[in-house]
Amino acid sequence: GENVGLHLPTLSVQEGDNSIINCAYSNSASDYFIWYKQESGKGPQFIIDIRSNMDKRQGQRVTVLLNKTVKHLSLQIAATQPGDSAVYFCAENRASNSGAGSYQLTFGKGTKLSVIP
Amino acid sequence: ETGVTQSPTHLIKTRGQQVTLRCSSQSGHNTVSWYQQALGQGPQFIFQYYREEENGRGNFPPRFSGLQFPNYSSELNVNALELDDSALYLCASSGRGLAGGGNEQFFGPGTRLTVL
Repeated sequence: GENVGLHLPTLSVQEGDNSIINCAYSNSASDYFIWYKQESGKGPQFIIDIRSNMDKRQGQRVTVLLNKTVKHLSLQIAATQPGDSAVYFCAENRASNSGAGSYQLTFGKGTKLSVIP
Repeated sequence: ETGVTQSPTHLIKTRGQQVTLRCSSQSGHNTVSWYQQALGQGPQFIFQYYREEENGRGNFPPRFSGLQFPNYSSELNVNALELDDSALYLCASSGRGLAGGGNEQFFGPGTRLTVL
């Protein structure tokens, strides 16, 4: 079936280094992608999004890259800090199977980022 | 904080029972989506409510049902609870684009349901 998945389930980085989290998706019709950060005991928190008509988008310390040719999405975090430790999910926003104009998020399994002080 | 609240924070039920979870959406948002997140997994879409009607459903059985109220708050009801229903239940609110397209969803903290 169609799904969004992650290449690496866990990632450990040294404080101050850059982090790269990867994600593969299989639905070529998807037109909007989001990265979420989820800390323990909390709901997912929006980090950055990108539409399919773009291949790069930058935020504060974060960059998302989209390669539609190979259906690959990545999140780059610059100068990783201990507060960045969390599980990161990529999500694909696409029309639901039912309901006119209904959209749903399809999440991958997540990558746990651990920052070593 | 996203402005989306959920209650209760934790809940313990036994198999066969029924449960109701509640969600208050962010001010100005008219769409609420519900997700189930099993331990160690990503959230799975249950359904979405827009203007008090179900507007999209994932691969969940009919014993998962919901409501949306005129103030856009929402309930998730699960009947005949099973052990596998143990999970974190998340609601997310969003505004509705002019073309009905996808918009950023803001998540609440979730309700942790344990079924014994």
